[in-house]
Amino acid sequence: EIVLTQSPGTLSLSPGERATLSCRASQSVISSYLAWYQQRPGQAPTLLMYGASSRATGIPDRFSGSGSATDFTLIITRVEAEDSAVYYCQQYGSSPWTFGQGSKVE
Amino acid sequence: EVQLVESGGVLVQPGGSLRLSCAASGFMFSSYWVHWVRQVPGKGLEWVARIKNDGSSTTYADSVKGRFTISRDNAKNTMYLQMNSLRDEDTAVYYCAKAQYDHSPLAYWGQGTLVTVSS
Repeated sequence: EIVLTQSPGTLSLSPGERATLSCRASQSVISSYLAWYQQRPGQAPTLLMYGASSRATGIPDRFSGSGSATDFTLIITRVEAEDSAVYYCQQYGSSPWTFGQGSKVE
Repeated sequence: EVQLVESGGVLVQPGGSLRLSCAASGFMFSSYWVHWVRQVPGKGLEWVARIKNDGSSTTYADSVKGRFTISRDNAKNTMYLQMNSLRDEDTAVYYCAKAQYDHSPLAYWGQGTLVTVSS
């Protein structure tokens, strides 16, 4: 199975700062089938990005994704208070689907 | 409005069985793959199982293979997870989520149902 390793574990930022989250895969992710999810405290996850770089419906453009093969990045430009959450990457190209361990943005 | 509502989570003893349900509304349920994902409280996400839109194909995580069975009833817009031989480590919030195709992200999630396995 593909193991996804996220870094950093926790990122502490002030409003307006930039967040850079990394997701590294143990094997190449087929066709960039890589998604990012946001999970706010007490809530279910919501889809942010898919195909490594496409924003899901309704996601503001301060969120962007990039990468391919084994290295992927989620960037939040100008972090806002409502962005405080845990962010997970997930690959959906090879079974079993797997998630990273999460990165907390506070 | 798209809705996925999980139910059936309770306290169950190790070795016991439980069936979770996921009721869908607001979209053409029979056109979507649906998945179960679980999360130990305070921990990360673990994908559990998925089923094709017509029910003809299923896939499981190794951790539940042979113990859990995913199924669906498109006439009732409902998906199920039959959980047998439950272990302490199956304690988690179980989410259902929908995906458009085989290789698609999980576009919408329910709010989850808590399963606690303990004596």
